[in-house]
Amino acid sequence: AQTVTQSQPEMSVQEAETVTLSCTYDTSESDYYLFWYKQPPSRQMILVIRQEAYKQQNATENRFSVNFQKAAKSFSLKISDSQLGDAAMYFCAYFSNTGANSKLTFGKGITLSVRP
Amino acid sequence: KAGVTQTPRYLIKTRGQQVTLSCSPISGHRSVSWYQQTPGQGLQFLFEYFSETQRNKGNFPGRFSGRQFSNSRSEMNVSTLELGDSALYLCASSLEYAGLTEAFFGQGTRLTVV
Repeated sequence: AQTVTQSQPEMSVQEAETVTLSCTYDTSESDYYLFWYKQPPSRQMILVIRQEAYKQQNATENRFSVNFQKAAKSFSLKISDSQLGDAAMYFCAYFSNTGANSKLTFGKGITLSVRP
Repeated sequence: KAGVTQTPRYLIKTRGQQVTLSCSPISGHRSVSWYQQTPGQGLQFLFEYFSETQRNKGNFPGRFSGRQFSNSRSEMNVSTLELGDSALYLCASSLEYAGLTEAFFGQGTRLTVV
């Protein structure tokens, strides 16, 4: 079964600084997708970034970028120029289209605080 | 366009009761997935419906059930509530499997069982 591990429950960053959130996963599939979701206090999960496993190039969305290491099964999120609005819970997630067992699998999340 | 709407936002129930939660997906989305979020277990997949058919089910007891209507709106039902069912229940709508196509989440229903 696929598993997603986020080993750091909490992190803190100074406003305008850079922070990296870690995620590892385990799978026997070769084709899959990885995601980072943000959950602010409003509770609504928002997609931050998505990476297709077959793409070697790391995905980037404005201040958010990933470091995808397929062989190491590692998928970290880098937030540059951190802003107060980045404070939230961040979830790493995995998906593989395996038919009846296709579903998003989430890590337990990391709470990011941003210090002004 | 309107987002994913979950009702009610908050709910307090007594042990042994049953509860029904509702999720209205984004117009045109035929897939609705449900997740249970707790501090200890994180987000766990409950089930996924597509065009009124359950395509996938997570590892939850039979007390948890769901259905989807022809307009893609979905409900989940929990019978014989237990204290451990207290959680945030999130639904997500997507064009296809959540993950294969972008999943859009609602704000959740906070269920408290006393």
